[in-house]
Amino acid sequence: SQELEQSPQSLIVQEGKNLTINCTSSKTLYGLYWYKQKYGEGLIFLMMLQKGGEEKSHEKITAKLDEKKQQSSLHITASQPSHAGIYLCGADISGNQFYFGTGTSLTVIP
Amino acid sequence: NAGVTQTPKFQVLKTGQSMTLQCAQDMNHEYMSWYRQDPGMGLRLIHYSVGAGITDQGEVPNGYNVSRSTTEDFPLRLLSAAPSQTSVYFCASSYKGGSAEAFFGQGTRLTVV
Repeated sequence: SQELEQSPQSLIVQEGKNLTINCTSSKTLYGLYWYKQKYGEGLIFLMMLQKGGEEKSHEKITAKLDEKKQQSSLHITASQPSHAGIYLCGADISGNQFYFGTGTSLTVIP
Repeated sequence: NAGVTQTPKFQVLKTGQSMTLQCAQDMNHEYMSWYRQDPGMGLRLIHYSVGAGITDQGEVPNGYNVSRSTTEDFPLRLLSAAPSQTSVYFCASSYKGGSAEAFFGQGTRLTVV
């Protein structure tokens, strides 16, 4: 969706490297969600951010929502092959419709 | 807990054929939605429902119909399949619309030839 811009579209990193994925909206987000999708499978919920400036971590993945609630970043520390997949940000922008970003395909080379 | 169940997982249709993609959830969620996922386009919302008897159009509704006669089921109908509808379809449900964690089905890979 053009409502949410995600970058980069694809990422290839060496195992052990850090990486960041960004998600940007021109509108205020009422909740920002990060999902991971393994190739050919459904989406797995990672984290939800609702408050401006909020930051959450799960294992080696950290997500932040900026103060204006228009941009979020997902940071992976010391990437592993198990991190490979498609990462999608999603958000409620209009009140009842949930939009997704275009996704970031992550490949981790052992 | 079955969560969100989508059927079928794979389907090949000829242009002009009709079919229904099934979606069922057992979490008593009010909000259900259908997305299609295409390379470079991410997931785009087709139709959504905020409760039984209530449906609305999303971003790309043309060529698709939905109905919500029960809380559990939210089928997606393709009345006359077109090659442009070749895609992977995901059904999702959540406790409420918008700001709530959505649970996704495993997807239906549809090819229209």
